[in-house]
Amino acid sequence: AAGVIQSPRHLIKEKRETATLKCYPIPRHDTVYWYQQGPGQDPQFLISFYEKMQSDKGSIPDRFSAQQFSDYHSELNMSSLELGDSALYFCASSLVAGGPWYEQYFGPGTRLTVT
Amino acid sequence: KQEVTQIPAALSVPEGENLVLNCSFTDSAIYNLQWFRQDPGKGLTSLLLIQSSQREQTSGRLNASLDKSSGRSTLYIAASQPGDSATYLCAVRTQGGSEKLVFGKGMKLTVNP
Repeated sequence: AAGVIQSPRHLIKEKRETATLKCYPIPRHDTVYWYQQGPGQDPQFLISFYEKMQSDKGSIPDRFSAQQFSDYHSELNMSSLELGDSALYFCASSLVAGGPWYEQYFGPGTRLTVT
Repeated sequence: KQEVTQIPAALSVPEGENLVLNCSFTDSAIYNLQWFRQDPGKGLTSLLLIQSSQREQTSGRLNASLDKSSGRSTLYIAASQPGDSATYLCAVRTQGGSEKLVFGKGMKLTVNP
């Protein structure tokens, strides 16, 4: 069965640079969630999209933006990178139309290292 | 605001022991609860999903129970093996909003041969 795809898997950037993370949800899933997991921390919700519209927003810095495209893939854009942005970034997809009991499926994550 | 707690933060046991991992949450208005496993530097592997209407779910040596009214879940691991060593996280999907997952801080399990 198809899973959530994230690219790139690893990314190294310098401070003040920009980064773009991509997420391709499971086919026919209508919702995408982004989570950030810092070293030794639990995953924290950043932002979510349902049917290409932002549905919820968590502790996402103003330097970050995200969108969901017509093919349902999502991109997380991160500008003016800081050392503290180094983390694992997870994308998850779900089928909200299937009911809130529907599971969220997680991608393998993108490891971002800011030097 | 939903808060998820896992105590203890770490556990070290000899191989073969039966284990109980605890998870508590403050808001009982949840849709479901998931248990994940995470190896160092790796992604999240979903172990069990238990719906709010269910009392327990089983997969192999794993059994998860849910007591929604008291805000508690336990993950039972039978006959632990060194390969079970990992961090175990529980996460709840709370009603309202986008139904995002709220995670606990995890419990680091070490099973010694």
